[in-house]
Amino acid sequence: SAVISQKPSRDICQRGTSLTIQCQVDSQVTMMFWYRQQPGQSLTLIATANQGSEATYESGFVIDKFPISRPNLTFSTLTVSNMSPEDSSIYLCSAGTGGYNEQFFGPGTRLTVL
Amino acid sequence: GQQLNQSPQSMFIQEGEDVSMNCTSSSIFNTWLWYKQDPGEGPVLLIALYKAGELTSNGRLTAQFGITRKDSFLNISASIPSDVGIYFCAGQRGGTSYGKLTFGQGTILTVHP
Repeated sequence: SAVISQKPSRDICQRGTSLTIQCQVDSQVTMMFWYRQQPGQSLTLIATANQGSEATYESGFVIDKFPISRPNLTFSTLTVSNMSPEDSSIYLCSAGTGGYNEQFFGPGTRLTVL
Repeated sequence: GQQLNQSPQSMFIQEGEDVSMNCTSSSIFNTWLWYKQDPGEGPVLLIALYKAGELTSNGRLTAQFGITRKDSFLNISASIPSDVGIYFCAGQRGGTSYGKLTFGQGTILTVHP
């Protein structure tokens, strides 16, 4: 398994600002992903964070709004840009290793936009 | 995007009762995963299933990968108060979707002591 930490754990932000969320894994992993969980809802995949190349975004999510970096095999960041109240959600990163398709999640970042 | 159909949406049971929940899809998945999420936490992996027909246990939890590869179920036996939480199924396809998870809507479990 992989142990995943995220920073910050929560934040309250003003409309129009940006927030960068960090995800750190305790071991090198093949795959890292970012998910959004809106209040009372399930998880929706935002993008795959690719090491050394641009992230791959799912339908409905764009790089200008959610830029992602992955400089190495243990770390990734997600930025929520030009925030609006609709961006208030829990943002979760996950990591998976090759071979077995298990994925492990971080504790999440709880974002409130005023 | 496509979601898995997970049922029931919520369950209210007495301590000691057994629980069953399931997920269905119109398309095939190569892997099924079951997670539990406690309030304020990220999802925790309970069971992973890799082959059609596979039946896997983890303590009081048992999950099965449907033979058609379009469904899965999770059973919890002899429930206890700490089983309270939201349970999610998640499916994973292969190919270009390798690693990406599609989640069910979740089952909210309440256990009365």
